[in-house]
Amino acid sequence: AQKVTQAQTEISVVEKEDVTLDCVYETRDTTYYLFWYKQPPSGELVFLIRRNSFDEQNEISGRYSWNFQKSTSSFNFTITASQVVDSAVYFCALSEASSNYQLIWGAGTKLIIKP
Amino acid sequence: SAVISQKPSRDICQRGTSLTIQCQVDSQVTMMFWYRQQPGQSLTLIATANQGSEATYESGFVIDKFPISRPNLTFSTLTVSNMSPEDSSIYLCSVEAEGLAGGVGEQYFGPGTRLTVT
Repeated sequence: AQKVTQAQTEISVVEKEDVTLDCVYETRDTTYYLFWYKQPPSGELVFLIRRNSFDEQNEISGRYSWNFQKSTSSFNFTITASQVVDSAVYFCALSEASSNYQLIWGAGTKLIIKP
Repeated sequence: SAVISQKPSRDICQRGTSLTIQCQVDSQVTMMFWYRQQPGQSLTLIATANQGSEATYESGFVIDKFPISRPNLTFSTLTVSNMSPEDSSIYLCSVEAEGLAGGVGEQYFGPGTRLTVT
């Protein structure tokens, strides 16, 4: 079974719409970390956020927000008022002790923002 | 965050040859990694580059095929040996930031090396 599932392979929205990217994870560890990365067409991976398992507070950074819910093992990412520059592949990743804290990557969601 | 550079940024190589990719970081880091990303795919960890000792390889990757050097805390190389078209991929190095209170830090990535094997 996949440890990090990003069920949305591709999402296409019109600029200014809000969009949520889903991430569901699976772990038996009590201490773990969750991450989101952005990979624009240029190819470089950009770190967006890290969350540890003891901090369930939602986070907002400008137009970006993250909803961490341990009850549903989800760590969803919402972009408000999307812009064309948000077009990228977004990866969710998990780091857990039982996997030696290596990053376990989701398959990625390709987000297309149309002008 | 760390600033990471990789050389070359891209290359086209003939099968049977080898290519060495360099990764340079602007600060000393303990944890350094090499990944492969095939077109349209997620990232796959090749190995952890350990300073002063052999790299730790993941399942499916071997030292003879992907020798790694880590002579100091700011530099590493990955060699893709005896290349075949199946090795065509993007190769990325990353470093792990020091985590808060000893926890796991985020990883920062180099710009990648786009390799095409003909």
